[in-house]
Amino acid sequence: EIVMTQSPATLSVSPGERATLSCRASQSVSGNLAWYQQKPGQAPRLLIYGASTRATGVPARFSGSGSGTEFTLTISSLQSEDFAVYFCQQYNKWPPLTFGGGTKVEIK
Amino acid sequence: EVQLVQSGGGLVQPGGSLRLSCAASGFTFSTYWMNWVRQAPGKGLEWVANIKQDGSGKYYVDSVKGRFTISRDNAKSSLYLQMNSLRDEDTAVYYCARAPTPAYFDYWGQGSLVTVSS
Repeated sequence: EIVMTQSPATLSVSPGERATLSCRASQSVSGNLAWYQQKPGQAPRLLIYGASTRATGVPARFSGSGSGTEFTLTISSLQSEDFAVYFCQQYNKWPPLTFGGGTKVEIK
Repeated sequence: EVQLVQSGGGLVQPGGSLRLSCAASGFTFSTYWMNWVRQAPGKGLEWVANIKQDGSGKYYVDSVKGRFTISRDNAKSSLYLQMNSLRDEDTAVYYCARAPTPAYFDYWGQGSLVTVSS
């Protein structure tokens, strides 16, 4: 099973600042990585797939990068609606499909 | 508009059974892999199971193998999860999710809370 590790667990950022979230895989997942955003009481929302492709309707301030075992989600200028929990997920080798533990982006 | 509308959650005793349903609309259901993903209270996401377009392939996380069964009815555009021998640790919000490839999720249902408790 591929273990996904996200850091930091919590990120405190001021509105308008840049946020950088990390995701590490226990073995190479090539570019088969997705990112999701989840707000309280809501289902997750797909942001990025293929490590760097934005899903339909996702603002350009969200960008993904990386390959192999190291990945990054960057939010270039945080808006109020971006404060949420973010999960990465690998789909290179399954079953099982596996998620990281999440990074909570909170208002500083 | 793609919609996944779930039903069937609730409170069940340990060892009991429950069936979740997910009704799809707004897309050609029979052309997509479908998944169940769960989230225990205050915890992260855990993939549970998925099923191929024609139902010929089904995959599960080890912790539910032999207890849960995923199925689909393409004529009704519906996905199901039959959960038997439920345990306390199965308590979670269960989401159905569409997958454009087998393995990442572009649309999610609203979630169904399953509580296993005596």
